[in-house]
Amino acid sequence: GAGVSQSPRYKVAKRGQDVALRCDPISGHVSLFWYQQALGQGPEFLTYFQNEAQLDKSGLPSDRFFAERPEGSVSTLKIQRTQQEDSAVYLCASSRGGQEIGTQYFGPGTRLLVL
Amino acid sequence: GQNIDQPTEMTATEGAIVQINCTYQTSGFNGLFWYQQHAGEAPTFLSYNVLDGLEEKGRFSSFLSRSKGYSYLLLKELQMKDSASYLCAVRDRSNYQLIWGAGTKLIIKP
Repeated sequence: GAGVSQSPRYKVAKRGQDVALRCDPISGHVSLFWYQQALGQGPEFLTYFQNEAQLDKSGLPSDRFFAERPEGSVSTLKIQRTQQEDSAVYLCASSRGGQEIGTQYFGPGTRLLVL
Repeated sequence: GQNIDQPTEMTATEGAIVQINCTYQTSGFNGLFWYQQHAGEAPTFLSYNVLDGLEEKGRFSSFLSRSKGYSYLLLKELQMKDSASYLCAVRDRSNYQLIWGAGTKLIIKP
């Protein structure tokens, strides 16, 4: 496919459970972003990768959140010991980088519900 | 601090014109973006302004005034499928991070 894909699309987790969210960016896109979006709000920045390097993780809300992109393509966002406040839509976006870095292509998101 | 303001909700009539405003206060400015987001779907890119003035793209136009920290998105000949949230985002001095507004929910009535 030509777009950004994410899996799973929906995830229900029990409080305390670990979850892993996957993002497949558009082929050749060097920049990859993870966002958290609450209902009725804009996306909140979590972290940014340029190729395999995580250049900014300032938006990760706690040390329970961890993201990686080991080969500069697929990325995984891991949340350990999930809490109810982690319930949100997690969006992944990729872009070509450089001057086009702001033109981001979003995946459909993973809706996480923590019970 | 960083702040993006846009109206929470607007209502317009099919076939009409609507203007969605966005004001921003950010630590730096490297361009302003508008995205469209249908309910339950991902945001999709609409427009990008980095210089003052109007950028026109079909039924959609976006305007920027950097001195006023102000932008608007103009939608003409509204169609029912334009019912969505419209998100304003500013690229800050980092040159990669987008600061997002909460979005304006646009409701189109027949």
